Amino acid sequence: DGGITQSPKYLFRKEGQNVTLSCEQNLNHDAMYWYRQDPGQGLRLIYYSQIVNDFQKGDIAEGYSVSREKKESFPLTVTSAQKNPTAFYLCASSILLRGTGVPQEQYFGPGTRLTVT
Amino acid sequence: GDSVTQMEGPVTLSEEAFLTINCTYTATGYPSLFWYVQYPGEGLQLLLKATKADDKGSNKGFEATYRKETTSFHLEKGSVQVSDSAVYFCALSRRLAGGTSYGKLTFGQGTILTVHP
Repeated sequence: DGGITQSPKYLFRKEGQNVTLSCEQNLNHDAMYWYRQDPGQGLRLIYYSQIVNDFQKGDIAEGYSVSREKKESFPLTVTSAQKNPTAFYLCASSILLRGTGVPQEQYFGPGTRLTVT
Repeated sequence: GDSVTQMEGPVTLSEEAFLTINCTYTATGYPSLFWYVQYPGEGLQLLLKATKADDKGSNKGFEATYRKETTSFHLEKGSVQVSDSAVYFCALSRRLAGGTSYGKLTFGQGTILTVHP
């Protein structure tokens, strides 16, 4: 079955520690995204990547870092510089249709709930 | 910038009632519009989409019509079930210059729907 996996589902860390959230997809999608969801709010884009070894900052990139060494994988590191890291983190992917200009839907993983104390 | 506004929740209905969740948007150009659903503790699932004016997206009894003249994409279902209880997100993705189809999704804040037996 094709899909997006995120691990772990729940993650607990002490303040001041960096933590890396995993995201893997076997949909052969070019583009991958990281979102943050806080209670009662919509999703906010952290980083996105259209192609291996390339990524761009989203709306709230400060305190986060990513890498895209393989097409299937897009890990997110929450650094100690992120002031309020406790949140639900969602990874997504989508195909790219170059030339059509029609945005394609994004497919989401099950999410990782990070709690920092 | 782009924005999506959803009706305030939570919405509470009895089983078999008619559902409408309003969604209006602000965006330049020709966005694609989406409805996503999120069940407790899970990631988002695409419910339906529309990529151009007057398109009607439909899935699992839910429908929404892309109305460019009113910049709206209201979600409707004729008869809700208890299993429809979830959070519903309206989102848009704007076409970008140069034919690139990757889409940064802009989300509304979500509407919580609770359906009672």
